Amino acid sequence: QVQLVQSAAEVKKPGSSVRVSCKTSGGTFSTYGINWVRLAPGQGLEWMGRIIPIIDITNYAQKFQGRVTLTADRSTNTAYMDLRSLTSDDTAMYYCATQTIVGSTQFDYWGQGTLVTVSS
Amino acid sequence: DIVMTQSPLSLPVTPGEPASISCRSSESLLHSNGYNFLHWYLQKPGQSPQLLISLGSNRASGVPDRFTGSGSGTDFTLKISRVEAEDVGVYYCMQARQTPPYTFGQGTRLEIK
Repeated sequence: QVQLVQSAAEVKKPGSSVRVSCKTSGGTFSTYGINWVRLAPGQGLEWMGRIIPIIDITNYAQKFQGRVTLTADRSTNTAYMDLRSLTSDDTAMYYCATQTIVGSTQFDYWGQGTLVTVSS
Repeated sequence: DIVMTQSPLSLPVTPGEPASISCRSSESLLHSNGYNFLHWYLQKPGQSPQLLISLGSNRASGVPDRFTGSGSGTDFTLKISRVEAEDVGVYYCMQARQTPPYTFGQGTRLEIK
């Protein structure tokens, strides 16, 4: 059984950066697609980007291009999402979600979420 | 980007009654391999989203058979044959036909009357 455990909630100042981690267990980490999705207050789910560690490929939503960086540490089975130049609009719950079956497109496992609050 | 449109956005349902959610895409989600790259998720209150249906009609592991996904091309439907209290939450469709980006519908909030 695949499990995803995310880092704790963060409170950040506008203009700063945040790093959220997603540690996986079970399965084969390096072959997963690891996606990042956020849910802002009053909004719907929004896809931010994806990393596939085994081929070291990343894809980003145009909206976040240049402001987000996804990385993965295969030695610790942990994925990271770095988001820079934070504004109040970035206040949201951030989720990692995996595509564990090679070639699949559905997000079959989700982390518990990390709340990021941006406030002065 | 493919735009996903769900309706209704709010769905009050009496327990035991059926429910239906529509999801429409701005472009066809049907691949030449015959699969529709459309997935359904449910986010229950206080929980992370969970996969319900993949590729238009395949129930995920552990999903009760009262949930049925159907449709093809640009029009899809999620049906619940008899709503139970545990079905409350926000339902999202997501397209995976043209990525990046993966795009979600606005969400449909199902509540018990």
